[in-house]
Amino acid sequence: GAVVSQHPSRVICKSGTSVKIECRSLDFQATTMFWYRQFPKKSLMLMATSNEGSKATYEQGVEKDKFLINHASLTLSTLTVTSAHPEDSSFYICSAQGPVTYNEQFFGPGTRLTVL
Amino acid sequence: GESVGLHLPTLSVQEGDNSIINCAYSNSASDYFIWYKQESGKGPQFIIDIRSNMDKRQGQRVTVLLNKTVKHLSLQIAATQPGDSAVYFCAENIWSSGNTPLVFGKGTRLSVIA
Repeated sequence: GAVVSQHPSRVICKSGTSVKIECRSLDFQATTMFWYRQFPKKSLMLMATSNEGSKATYEQGVEKDKFLINHASLTLSTLTVTSAHPEDSSFYICSAQGPVTYNEQFFGPGTRLTVL
Repeated sequence: GESVGLHLPTLSVQEGDNSIINCAYSNSASDYFIWYKQESGKGPQFIIDIRSNMDKRQGQRVTVLLNKTVKHLSLQIAATQPGDSAVYFCAENIWSSGNTPLVFGKGTRLSVIA
């Protein structure tokens, strides 16, 4: 099956700093990537949809200036949490989809962000 | 639909017994459904999917049942094993709409008692 990686797997940062999370499709071209966040014992909540070469589409309530998404290539999307605060601490998960995957989305292993 | 503000329901099952995990979906236009397994600290793992032109699909030790009339989906796990302990999510989508995001259900925590 298609493989999606995320880096880093865990990150701890100080309040006010910015953190970049990478999502890579390793063996297929991902025309679309999705970013989710997940709080403990909760379901996945969609943050934004990112199509390669286009601006991301953000879900209602998600600040686009705080969560910067870049999808500059068919194998890489990045999520930058700017001026992170403790309430941004969460598990961030990406998924990727492409022409060869049809409608199936493949998920990355997630990134645990802790903001002190 | 999306999960809001509730702790995950938990299903405890004796090892070797069958498990049934249920999910109600919200969008009557959804025609593609997927079950995911998520272990602690990991991303969701695909288990099985079903299109709306079917009401049952079987995989290895797993069966998904779809009842479009009442918008209900279930996952049956046969001979449940300790390694099946995880959180299980259903997700819905509209197949014909192309690259649209999945909508996840609330999730159910399955605990297998050895």
